[in-house]
Amino acid sequence: GAVVSQHPSWVICKSGTSVKIECRSLDFQATTMFWYRQFPKQSLMLMATSNEGSKATYEQGVEKDKFLINHASLTLSTLTVTSAHPEDSSFYICSAPDPRGTDTQYFGPGTRLTVL
Amino acid sequence: DAKTTQPPSMDCAEGRAANLPCNHSTISGNEYVYWYRQIHSQGPQYIIHGLKNNETNEMASLIITEDRKSSTLILPHATLRDTAVYYCIVRVGGGNAGNMLTFGGGTRLMVKP
Repeated sequence: GAVVSQHPSWVICKSGTSVKIECRSLDFQATTMFWYRQFPKQSLMLMATSNEGSKATYEQGVEKDKFLINHASLTLSTLTVTSAHPEDSSFYICSAPDPRGTDTQYFGPGTRLTVL
Repeated sequence: DAKTTQPPSMDCAEGRAANLPCNHSTISGNEYVYWYRQIHSQGPQYIIHGLKNNETNEMASLIITEDRKSSTLILPHATLRDTAVYYCIVRVGGGNAGNMLTFGGGTRLMVKP
C-alpha cells in the first residue's frame, strides 16, 4: 500500500522555540493531507486539512497562527509549531487519502513532540 | 457523521477470535462503517470498511447487522501483535466527505498469551 512518512519521529525542544514537522507521501501524490494531534491516553483530534497550493483549513479551536501549515508540493506538507510551550507536547500524526480513491486514509508513523 | 459507541477495553486469548462490537444506531443510508487500529505510539492503520454487506480481507472480517445499527470486527486468530486500540468510524463514503476521519474513543484490545 501507499506509504506516508514523517520527520522527525521525535523531537525535544525548549519552550518558546519553533518546531517543523514534515509529512511526505513517498510513492503517491496527495493534494490533501490531514494533521491530527493526540494527547496521552486520548483519541486523535483533527487539527487541520492541508491543501496543496492553497491555505489550510483549521478545525475550531486550533490557532492557525500557532500551527503553521504549508503544503508546498504534491508530496510534502509541513506543520510548524511556533513558540512552542509545554502544553503543545503531544503526538502529531499526518494522513493522506488513498490515491486509488478507495476512500481510506494512510497515516504517517507520528511525531512525538516534547516541549521543556 | 454518525456517532459510534464502543466498549473501552477488551481482552482476548492469543489464537482465539477477537470480536469487537460497535454501535452506530444513527447511521444514515449513505454512511459506511470503517475500522482502523492504532498500535501504541504508531499512526493508525486501515483495516476494513463496508456499507451493508459483510466484508472480509486478509486482516479481518466485518459483520454489519441487517438494520446497519451495529457491526462487529472479527480478528479470526488474534496474535500478540494485534494488541492495539481499534476505532470504529462511520462516515459518508465515495469520496464525498473530504476524506477526513473523526475518531472516537475506540476499544483497547489486549491479546494475552
